[in-house]
Amino acid sequence: QSVLTQPPSASGTPGQRVTISCSGGSSNIERDYVFWYQQVPGTAPKLLIYTDNQRPSGVPNRFSGSRSGTSASLAISGLRSEDEADYYCAAWDASLSAWVFGGGTKLTVL
Amino acid sequence: EVQLVESGGGLLQPGGSLRLSCVASGFTLSSYEMHWVRQAPGKGLEWLTHSPGSGNTRYYADSVKGRFTISRDNAKNSLYLQMNSLRAEDTAVYHCARERILGGFGQGFDLWGQGTVVTVSS
Repeated sequence: QSVLTQPPSASGTPGQRVTISCSGGSSNIERDYVFWYQQVPGTAPKLLIYTDNQRPSGVPNRFSGSRSGTSASLAISGLRSEDEADYYCAAWDASLSAWVFGGGTKLTVL
Repeated sequence: EVQLVESGGGLLQPGGSLRLSCVASGFTLSSYEMHWVRQAPGKGLEWLTHSPGSGNTRYYADSVKGRFTISRDNAKNSLYLQMNSLRAEDTAVYHCARERILGGFGQGFDLWGQGTVVTVSS
């Protein structure tokens, strides 16, 4: 069982807005930044959002992140077929002295 | 080209040892914190350990503490993971990843290798 909790699946139709939640606790999300990674099956993960809400160069502004209290969320607007992938949240856990990942959310574009 | 390339994976029996390598090209390894992350078949990402660009503090996930050791050779632009006392549950794709530290804060794992496969089975 992952320290960070994500829904196992999410879905939407092209053009829709989808959000993926990530729930943690006082030792991780509440006290430190959240990061989001996108992984197309069979490929390496890709950094999507860093320090809660910043997008690396090349990531479309359709992707946005936010954090409040012990939870964070990733929003994808204008959903496209190429967004179909697994999405993981991550944060540093001060109690474990370890990086922790969510269990991942499989996004399906219908 | 900026990239990370892992090698050293393979098939081995429980209790065995293996050393993974990760060679960086296109950037200077010593300027980054480096990590090992694995993904078991059909499972999510699991962080294992990291090596700071400078300094000696290293942290390990409980699942590998005492069995795995991370090291680096900045002169060879290479990162390593020594894995001992391997178990069936260590079967996974092992990725190395880099993290840039800016103003004391990590900026995320912004570059990943494609991974090397480790299979532990009798």
